[in-house]
Amino acid sequence: NAGVTQTPKFQVLKTGQSMTLQCAQDMNHNSMYWYRQDPGMGLRLIYYSASEGTTDKGEVPNGYNVSRLNKREFSLRLESAAPSQTSVYFCASSEVAGTQYFGPGTRLTVL
Amino acid sequence: QKEVEQDPGPLSVPEGAIVSLNCTYSNSAFQYFMWYRQYSRKGPELLMYTYSSGNKEDGRFTAQVDKSSKYISLFIRDSQPSDSATYLCAMGGDTGGFKTIFGAGTRLFVKA
Repeated sequence: NAGVTQTPKFQVLKTGQSMTLQCAQDMNHNSMYWYRQDPGMGLRLIYYSASEGTTDKGEVPNGYNVSRLNKREFSLRLESAAPSQTSVYFCASSEVAGTQYFGPGTRLTVL
Repeated sequence: QKEVEQDPGPLSVPEGAIVSLNCTYSNSAFQYFMWYRQYSRKGPELLMYTYSSGNKEDGRFTAQVDKSSKYISLFIRDSQPSDSATYLCAMGGDTGGFKTIFGAGTRLFVKA
């Protein structure tokens, strides 16, 4: 039982490049989330998926897109990376409101 | 004004001390309240969950929620060096579905 897994763990991009962050959970949870964490800002919700087939914007969705591929997988795409997107990205899943289980994170640097 | 305010610290205490961590919030619709612990370069892990007001105890950890004051606390008794981490408060409301708002986190150092 791996919980929530994320790939890659680290990534360096140049401005304008695109990439997809992958997330998978094996706990059969309905809801999945993408957050970014910046110093002094806490965790900010980018997008979430309350259930398979649905996605909604969070607090900071600009510059990102998501796909809920199936119940297990939820990906985050940066179409044209910008230095302001340098951050640590966390994926999470939950079945009960508030009790989220987080992945290990992806450290992204955009030059 | 942020919806959730949390002192970033750092907070440094000697081993064995009682630690008090706090958050204030402004949204009276919040119904569930959590504390997450995050070790350096790791993902947050759920430590305590409380629904509505009251206290909850789990081992050395006690969570308190005072909805009338919009104030939540986490107490750590007999603190250990292994408790050194960043502690994030978090909360959400039924009207917001499963969306949760996180505080910025308080860094705690427990010195041996």
